[in-house]
Amino acid sequence: GDQVEQSPSALSLHEGTGSALRCNFTTTMRAVQWFQQNSRGSLINLFYLASGTKENGRLKSTFNSKESYSTLHIRDAQLEDSGTYFCAADPGYQNFYFGKGTSLTVIP
Amino acid sequence: DTTVKQNPRYKLARVGKPVNLICSQTMNHDTMYWYQKKPNQAPKLLLFYYDKILNREADTFEKFQSSRPNNSFCSLYIGSAGLEYSAMYLCASSSQGANTGQLYFGEGSKLTVL
Repeated sequence: GDQVEQSPSALSLHEGTGSALRCNFTTTMRAVQWFQQNSRGSLINLFYLASGTKENGRLKSTFNSKESYSTLHIRDAQLEDSGTYFCAADPGYQNFYFGKGTSLTVIP
Repeated sequence: DTTVKQNPRYKLARVGKPVNLICSQTMNHDTMYWYQKKPNQAPKLLLFYYDKILNREADTFEKFQSSRPNNSFCSLYIGSAGLEYSAMYLCASSSQGANTGQLYFGEGSKLTVL
């Protein structure tokens, strides 16, 4: 079964609003990473967390290993935030499990 | 320098022909990965090297080969490309032994098989 459940699969936001993406884990993970896929298909690293919360500009991410989830909050969404976001979880034995992605559309 | 470099960035191949993709990193990471990424799908792990040990996923075992002649370099080889191999191939590295684990991705090699 899937180790990482990412939701929602698709999200539309009006410019200036915000929302949260979430990944739930079915097994204990030692860390999580969030990526944004660019227009070419490459993965841009947003955050890597072993615990707690990190913030960068309009983005904030939290990882709760005890309750097995991670979130990515986007506030004041801009048009350039549109794209697909992935979480990847590290169980600690060299493999990474990816979520299926959230396709974000920011509407003017 | 936290850069993972991939070559070529774009590759056009004919069905049945071989393809060789190259990845390098200078972060002295012990683990290097190859993922296949198709549109609207999650990245799919093909294989990874932990030091000199190659780990291949069961469902891609016979389709992809790889070599890691030194710590910095890793290649992905397709012996006979099929149309279904058209995808973005992403190389990544991490330092698993140091217990940090963050993945660093390259820009990708976009393969189109005709």
